[in-house]
Amino acid sequence: DSGVTQTPKHLITATGQRVTLRCSPRSGDLSVYWYQQSLDQGLQFLIQYYNGEERAKGNILERFSAQQFPDLHSELNLSSLELGDSALYFCASSVGLAGGETQYFGPGTRLLVL
Amino acid sequence: QKEVEQDPGPLSVPEGAIVSLNCTYSNSAFQYFMWYRQYSRKGPELLMYTYSSGNKEDGRFTAQVDKSSKYISLFIRDSQPSDSATYLCAMSARGSSNTGKLIFGQGTTLQVKP
Repeated sequence: DSGVTQTPKHLITATGQRVTLRCSPRSGDLSVYWYQQSLDQGLQFLIQYYNGEERAKGNILERFSAQQFPDLHSELNLSSLELGDSALYFCASSVGLAGGETQYFGPGTRLLVL
Repeated sequence: QKEVEQDPGPLSVPEGAIVSLNCTYSNSAFQYFMWYRQYSRKGPELLMYTYSSGNKEDGRFTAQVDKSSKYISLFIRDSQPSDSATYLCAMSARGSSNTGKLIFGQGTTLQVKP
């Protein structure tokens, strides 16, 4: 158990809908990262937050947004869902924000868009 | 061209074999190199971590980094059926952007047969 929790574990929804994925980092970790894992693209970085502030963005779609709350948990919002958004979404956390920090991954949320 | 290239396999070996997994990369700014292991439907877990060039050994696992060739390897000795998983190489840069985002390879699926 990495100490990172994600809810829900599974999510099935329809195209055009909006969903929210939740992540709680390990105790003491200030950075939260979101990654998307699909069969064709592999594991790709979406966005990073550190202590409530956005620090870096990857190839995150404009339909996707995230935030980190004062208690350090984070939410990833996916809207106007398309079939291609079906993937595993992982949250990871680390103590700091710089390169080289060990990132601990949660169990993921499996999203299926029908 | 992807920043990190990794042969997806699958790779099938008999129990007890030595396994060699490799990644190549193009970004010379990468300074931190990791190997994650991911079991089916689980989150990635950190296996090995190396800073800059050199070797690191941990039990049956050895990680090697050759920055001059932009090539990293993971060796598994005396492979066991429990090693059957997907192995992902990951890298991050040390730079002014001060972000710890990881860039992953596609992952290599390994099966160790009893």
